Amino acid sequence: SYELTQPPSVSVSPGQAASITCSGYKLGDQYASWYQQKPGQSPVLVIYQDSKRPSGIPERFSGSNSGNTATLTISGTQAMDEADYYCQAWDTTTGVFGTGTKVTVL
Amino acid sequence: QVQLQESGPGLVKPSQTLSLTCTVSGGSISSGDYYWTWIRQSPGKGLEWIGYMYYRGNTFYSPSLKSRVTISKDTSKNQFSLNLSSVTAADTAVYYCARSPGHCSSTSCTGYFDYWGQGTLVTVSS
Repeated sequence: SYELTQPPSVSVSPGQAASITCSGYKLGDQYASWYQQKPGQSPVLVIYQDSKRPSGIPERFSGSNSGNTATLTISGTQAMDEADYYCQAWDTTTGVFGTGTKVTVL
Repeated sequence: QVQLQESGPGLVKPSQTLSLTCTVSGGSISSGDYYWTWIRQSPGKGLEWIGYMYYRGNTFYSPSLKSRVTISKDTSKNQFSLNLSSVTAADTAVYYCARSPGHCSSTSCTGYFDYWGQGTLVTVSS
């Protein structure tokens, strides 16, 4: 089965950039999306189709996808960005989520 | 503004069938632009995609759950539902419904999940 692997945790200082990777076989051949989930809340879409931001998502969130890796970058990270982040893609007709990354803002 | 709301029993006995309903407001499940999805999250774990339904009734299920899952719709109530049979403690999770702008052929799907329900915790226990 298709797997999307993310680092378990990423730490970042306020105001600095945080990058979260998502690795999967030929991931760059399809679109990836990213979700932010805060404790006790539903996931929120922050990036879709590799690099597009939904309405209401701050510009500091950006995405890219090439080869075997998709990347979510948070520029100028704020305390409110502390959350779990999940990537998502498809294995033919099956949705697949990444393993998840906990972003800690120190 | 589209809103989704899950409803159903919070406690299900082992071997029984878990049944949940997602009520959609602010949009129609009969819109050909979207697929309607169930996703779950076991306590302290990551997200797991369960399955997808199109307004015409086409369904796609996770291979690991396919033998136990049915997703259906009630267009008159603007609802879609999840049935998961023969549940065990491993099916204890928060269950989310979501909307997906996407497309599926017989061999591949695309899409993302732009609106989610608040989630409902279902515990499997005797």
